Amino acid sequence: EPEVTQTPSHQVTQMGQEVILRCVPISNHLYFYWYRQILGQKVEFLVSFYNNEISEKSEIFDDQFSVERPDGSNFTLKIRSTKLEDSAMYFCASLIGGSQETQYFGPGTRLLVL
Amino acid sequence: DAKTTQPTSMDCAEGRAANLPCNHSTISGNEYVYWYRQIHSQGPQYIIHGLKNNETNEMASLIITEDRKSSTLILPHATLRDTAVYYCIVEYPEGNLIFGKGTKLSVKP
Repeated sequence: EPEVTQTPSHQVTQMGQEVILRCVPISNHLYFYWYRQILGQKVEFLVSFYNNEISEKSEIFDDQFSVERPDGSNFTLKIRSTKLEDSAMYFCASLIGGSQETQYFGPGTRLLVL
Repeated sequence: DAKTTQPTSMDCAEGRAANLPCNHSTISGNEYVYWYRQIHSQGPQYIIHGLKNNETNEMASLIITEDRKSSTLILPHATLRDTAVYYCIVEYPEGNLIFGKGTKLSVKP
């Protein structure tokens, strides 16, 4: 069964460094999402992406964040200058599009900023 | 904020049916009811969704009241592996999922 994959599974970085989290959505899906979950807290929406542009973004998704679909298969989340509070699980999700469809989530990347 | 209200936690005996309620009194006509679950810190796993009619798949059944203001997720024969946090989410297809705190279901032997 097709699934969303994410790499790396874990990443440790120093505060102020740039990180890129990668996702490979399910191949025929057209809508892409990033969510994050700080330890012990709720899953929070970050950004949605469709037709090569951002559809919607939350207040969390500030200028330090960017998303890209560079090659038609990968979907990346870049954090330009990481802060301690960016430590979280980051989940990618994709959806095929059309009514009665649903988002499928990847396993997540655990980011730790020191 | 989440548009749904769920109990914080529930227990269920292994092999018995788990019935998880959800209130969504402000649901609009075109919004679907989605159920996801999260085991430890894994990615949320889709379970089932519906608009008006009751739905059943290999994982669960979804019962939606006629006025659509509440629903119940039924796991017919709960196993220990069903221990997880269960999220009820009301949203349009393609919309951004707003997760609440969900219901922590503990299946006990």
